[in-house]
Amino acid sequence: KAGVTQTPRYLIKTRGQQVTLSCSPISGHRSVSWYQQTPGQGLQFLFEYFSETQRNKGNFPGRFSGRQFSNSRSEMNVSTLELGDSALYLCASSPLVGGFYEQYFGPGTRLTVT
Amino acid sequence: AQSVTQLGSHVSVSEGALVLLRCNYSSSVPPYLFWYVQYPNQGLQLLLKYTSAATLVKGINGFEAEFKKSETSFHLTKPSAHMSDAAEYFCAVAGLYYGGSQGNLIFGKGTKLSVKP
Repeated sequence: KAGVTQTPRYLIKTRGQQVTLSCSPISGHRSVSWYQQTPGQGLQFLFEYFSETQRNKGNFPGRFSGRQFSNSRSEMNVSTLELGDSALYLCASSPLVGGFYEQYFGPGTRLTVT
Repeated sequence: AQSVTQLGSHVSVSEGALVLLRCNYSSSVPPYLFWYVQYPNQGLQLLLKYTSAATLVKGINGFEAEFKKSETSFHLTKPSAHMSDAAEYFCAVAGLYYGGSQGNLIFGKGTKLSVKP
């Protein structure tokens, strides 16, 4: 099976702009989660989608949003970018079948805000 | 609520020496625990998982971890370090409630492993 894919891999944006990141989960996985990774804060949970519904959300401002499509692909959007949004954004998918809650991660999108 | 603490942000070992990376967890429900590895400029790769089937869990690349409920620990070990093991390692607990998954993993701060020749 193909792994989790994320596009683009690298992105440079200017403060105040908005950005959309894309994630394609492993085939058959219906849960998609997003994380932000920074040197200072480590790995922080953004939100999780399951069957096109956001089920859980981390402690991030409303500028961070996401959605999931019927084919389980997911996008996250960050509006009005700030310098502090520079980070590696990781997408993970999970089968959530039979009590197995492990998540499989994509390579990430490195966002730099200037 | 669940949380994870990794002791030691940096660990350095010699090639061929024992690798021991420490992880302690806190969980109000029976935990699902994981170790992930991250190489520079890459995503996270699952090394192994504990899902209550066996307390000693074997993973990829010769790593294993032992779940000790009495010590609330899930330390990662490898008998003999290789240069290729140099990476950052993250311990994580699944966000759970008795109704099921919360859809997230709670990560420790990570431990960077250096391997000296």
